[in-house]
Amino acid sequence: GAGVSQSPSNKVTEKGKDVELRCDPISGHTALYWYRQSLGQGLEFLIYFQGNSAPDKSGLPSDRFSAERTGESVSTLTIQRTQQEDSAVYLCASSRGTGQPQHFGDGTRLSIL
Amino acid sequence: KNEVEQSPQNLTAQEGEFITINCSYSVGISALHWLQQHPGGGIVSLFMLSSGKKKHGRLIATINIQEKHSSLHITASHPRDSAVYICAVYSGGGADGLTFGKGTHLIIQP
Repeated sequence: GAGVSQSPSNKVTEKGKDVELRCDPISGHTALYWYRQSLGQGLEFLIYFQGNSAPDKSGLPSDRFSAERTGESVSTLTIQRTQQEDSAVYLCASSRGTGQPQHFGDGTRLSIL
Repeated sequence: KNEVEQSPQNLTAQEGEFITINCSYSVGISALHWLQQHPGGGIVSLFMLSSGKKKHGRLIATINIQEKHSSLHITASHPRDSAVYICAVYSGGGADGLTFGKGTHLIIQP
């Protein structure tokens, strides 16, 4: 498709498990962003990729969170030893470059039991 | 860190009314985005602007860089405009992610 694709759309897992969230950006978009939207909270920035490198990881909330991007395309956000406070919608966005309009995926709704 | 404030937090209006949503930020920016989020979560980028005014259909966005303020206007509002409208700023210079306001929940009643 032409848009940003995220999978899975929903994920329910038990506390303590690891989860992996996937983002397929729009083809040719070099910039990729991960955001989080917790229930009743606003959106917050997690990490940004330019190509395959992540010059800005300032938003990752703890060392349980990591992300990688390969082939200047697909990105995965991994959360290890999940906690209940990790429950949120995780959104991915991509753009042609920094400072360009960002296109958002539909998000992954993560629920930690 | 940039602080982004939106007002009002909630707005209910009648179909046909002119709607204004305001956004102010604390630190100079490279660009400001207006986003729309419908129930179910999908986010659509409405505008990105760094100066002046942009118009798309019934939507108008303005920004005053000196005053660090932007407004989103909806003319001839319609129930399908009901959504959360989010202001987000891009500061650049190494702060590459967007900083978001908390959103304005708009309901247009028929």
